[in-house]
Amino acid sequence: DAGITQSPRHKVTETGTPVTLRCHQTENHRYMYWYRQDPGHGLRLIHYSYGVKDTDKGEVSDGYSVSRSKTEDFLLTLESATSSQTSVYFCAISDDPTDTQYFGPGTRLTVL
Amino acid sequence: AQTVTQSQPEMSVQEAETVTLSCTYDTSESDYYLFWYKQPPSRQMILVIRQEAYKQQNATENRFSVNFQKAAKSFSLKISDSQLGDAAMYFCAYRTSGGGADGLTFGKGTHLIIQP
Repeated sequence: DAGITQSPRHKVTETGTPVTLRCHQTENHRYMYWYRQDPGHGLRLIHYSYGVKDTDKGEVSDGYSVSRSKTEDFLLTLESATSSQTSVYFCAISDDPTDTQYFGPGTRLTVL
Repeated sequence: AQTVTQSQPEMSVQEAETVTLSCTYDTSESDYYLFWYKQPPSRQMILVIRQEAYKQQNATENRFSVNFQKAAKSFSLKISDSQLGDAAMYFCAYRTSGGGADGLTFGKGTHLIIQP
């Protein structure tokens, strides 16, 4: 299994609070991705990174920001959480943009 | 933008039988990559099989094989000799081969039930 961890694995928070999710990899892969999974929608891309300090928006980026200061860490921040951001969040990594993406275990976030 | 459609929200099959999950996609590109991922109740996303569009030969991985019909934009997954451990959500995904690092486009998934 690819060395990908996500923290926390579960989080419950209140509307309006900031939340940061962390993805950590030990594979030294250049590319990292954040997806969200909601019933009836499959997985949708939020943001991705193609190197340290190099990031770009995905399909559903509104309300989210990301940062990557080290190859191994990719952070997803909800500046002011809303109930619509209740979801399961997955991080993925790949060595090349056309290569297979390997996924972390996911974080279940509930915004009350 | 590319879209991926899985028209079967749920499928059921008897243990040891064969089942085929459907996936169609819409793209104007000639070169791309297609994937099937499995998501068991543990929630972990597991790669089942990968197909490169420029390869005409259908990919296989043990009991899992695909029927890739490029002209029809169809990418179905066949599971032979179904086992209880195959019960999961299955997602079809598309990736452009073009430049850039944008991610995968997923279908909404098919829930596969294995009847003992």
